[in-house]
Amino acid sequence: DAKTTQPNSMESNEEEPVHLPCNHSTISGTDYIHWYRQLPSQGPEYVIHGLTSNVNNRMASLAIAEDRKSSTLILHRATLRDAAVYYCILRVQTYGGSQGNLIFGKGTKLSVKP
Amino acid sequence: EAQVTQNPRYLITVTGKKLTVTCSQNMNHEYMSWYRQDPGLGLRQIYYSMNVEVTDKGDVPEGYKVSRKEKRNFPLILESPSPNQTSLYFCASSFEGWNSPLHFGNGTRLTVT
Repeated sequence: DAKTTQPNSMESNEEEPVHLPCNHSTISGTDYIHWYRQLPSQGPEYVIHGLTSNVNNRMASLAIAEDRKSSTLILHRATLRDAAVYYCILRVQTYGGSQGNLIFGKGTKLSVKP
Repeated sequence: EAQVTQNPRYLITVTGKKLTVTCSQNMNHEYMSWYRQDPGLGLRQIYYSMNVEVTDKGDVPEGYKVSRKEKRNFPLILESPSPNQTSLYFCASSFEGWNSPLHFGNGTRLTVT
């Protein structure tokens, strides 16, 4: 199964940009890269996803390496509400399936200091 | 409102007493999945379903059953719960295709004594 590797924890200061890295060296050509986050006492929440090109939305940006073996989630201005565990996940093709299964890793716990 | 609804939110039971955690989504999603979350282990997938009557094992399926008789519902069944199944459980769903975000429920905290 395709797996991802993330640092266990990171710290950031409020209102500064945060770059959360993820390695996925065994990624296949059809695997989508998804990012989710989980705030304390809540279910995971979708952040962003992409395949090859960099992606932007109102929450974050996703920078994908040219060889797709790594990606970086960018929070442009961290707030205290961004303190959460961030999961980098590959949506991988299953046999005979038209959809992809998601496999979560352990994620990166982001702390934001005022 | 589009949502994934799990019930109950909290459940305390005894070893061996069969239980069912329900999961329902109102978004007409094909894909549904169950995860358990334990300290230090992150989210681990129990079972998933690509569509009605199509289910498959995830990473930790032992001791669990699922069914997908209709698109909106994906119950998780513990035939004979044991204390090592004490955990926080999440149900999730998504539209078809690999390009679809996953929507999660609010979780069910299960304690087996």
